[in-house]
Amino acid sequence: ETGVTQTPRHLVMGMTNKKSLKCEQHLGHNAMYWYKQSAKKPLELMFVYSLEERVENNSVPSRFSPECPNSSHLFLHLHTLQPEDSALYLCASSHARSYEQYFGPGTRLTVT
Amino acid sequence: AQSVTQLDSQVPVFEEAPVELRCNYSSSVSVYLFWYVQYPNQGLQLLLKYLSGSTLVKGINGFEAEFNKSQTSFHLRKPSVHISDTAEYFCAVSSPLQGAQKLVFGQGTRLTINP
Repeated sequence: ETGVTQTPRHLVMGMTNKKSLKCEQHLGHNAMYWYKQSAKKPLELMFVYSLEERVENNSVPSRFSPECPNSSHLFLHLHTLQPEDSALYLCASSHARSYEQYFGPGTRLTVT
Repeated sequence: AQSVTQLDSQVPVFEEAPVELRCNYSSSVSVYLFWYVQYPNQGLQLLLKYLSGSTLVKGINGFEAEFNKSQTSFHLRKPSVHISDTAEYFCAVSSPLQGAQKLVFGQGTRLTINP
């Protein structure tokens, strides 16, 4: 595997389910990001981790819980989501203080 | 606070015609500007970036952009487009975080190339 990978690519879940999104980067980076891409809205930065420490939490509801166990892996734990949380969730990584972020293909989440 | 406005949500162009995708930004600090492209069912890929120096920046796939500080613009151009350029294009401005970078994106412009 090369670059940034995300699993699953598609996820359908009910509002009472608990699921997790996984992101893995194979680029030797030390900063990782979660973005939300909704239809008709700009990409929204959700969380940023640098050297496994969360450095940004962009007023995201607590039903989204990030986890960064090491510099190569990033998770987004989901519970009791709402239909408006349906979106494409993109993971990205970069070197700390680098201006270039590398994006994964995203997980298309549908909440029913 | 920083913000980015992409003035056109959709741009249809004929193949081999020139195209310009417009981007305006607002920022109270030094700006670092980017254009990303998103092909269908894929993540974002960096096309080009402006950090400092020459205001004309060349990127991949024949794209270029010009940083204009007085007009707070960073428009993307290509002299002759191909069918394969059909995608969504995002302009973004960056600000530093602790050991990372925060990207603020525009709403995106969908470029459609017609044969």
